[in-house]
Amino acid sequence: RKEVEQDPGPFNVPEGATVAFNCTYSNSASQSFFWYRQDCRKEPKLLMSVYSSGNEDGRFTAQLNRASQYISLLIRDSKLSDSATYLCVVILNKFYFGSGTKLNVKP
Amino acid sequence: NAGVTQTPKFRVLKTGQSMTLLCAQDMNHEYMYWYRQDPGMGLRLIHYSVGEGTTAKGEVPDGYNVSRLKKQNFLLGLESAAPSQTSVYFCASSYSSLGDGYTFGSGTRLTVV
Repeated sequence: RKEVEQDPGPFNVPEGATVAFNCTYSNSASQSFFWYRQDCRKEPKLLMSVYSSGNEDGRFTAQLNRASQYISLLIRDSKLSDSATYLCVVILNKFYFGSGTKLNVKP
Repeated sequence: NAGVTQTPKFRVLKTGQSMTLLCAQDMNHEYMYWYRQDPGMGLRLIHYSVGEGTTAKGEVPDGYNVSRLKKQNFLLGLESAAPSQTSVYFCASSYSSLGDGYTFGSGTRLTVV
């Protein structure tokens, strides 16, 4: 079983839509959680950290549910520029990357 | 502030050739990592280092060697390239094992023919 699992998508949404991704992790002892964004043919870049209390940054909200062992990312009012692949990252002594969820925001 | 710099950015090798990928960071990070990324596979850890002079195997170490002679540099070597090593290689560094300041380089696209 993979340490981190994500729906690969693609999620195709119109501009202005709200979209949410989930990511499940297998080890309840996992220590830290992040969302990364990766544009086509570019390196992953940190989008935001994920805390049990939730974390909001503008249109982006990240949540952690330890009981059900998943993290989520909510994007409100989607922009064309949000089109990318979103990777979830779980840390348990080392980094475990999900394979990513592709988002396409259409005009 | 350069962050993490990878060289080269692109390379084409013939099967059996050798090469070294260089990763350099100027953030005084202790931890450095080499990943490969293939379509549908996500990022897979090849080797990593927790400090100068140390290296450790990751998830997919076969066919690769690494060295960390200086804190700021982490080298990835392919002794005898194979087509299965065609991939995009990313280097990353971080301040701690919990991901503080985790930063990726811009990647090296390697094709083995």
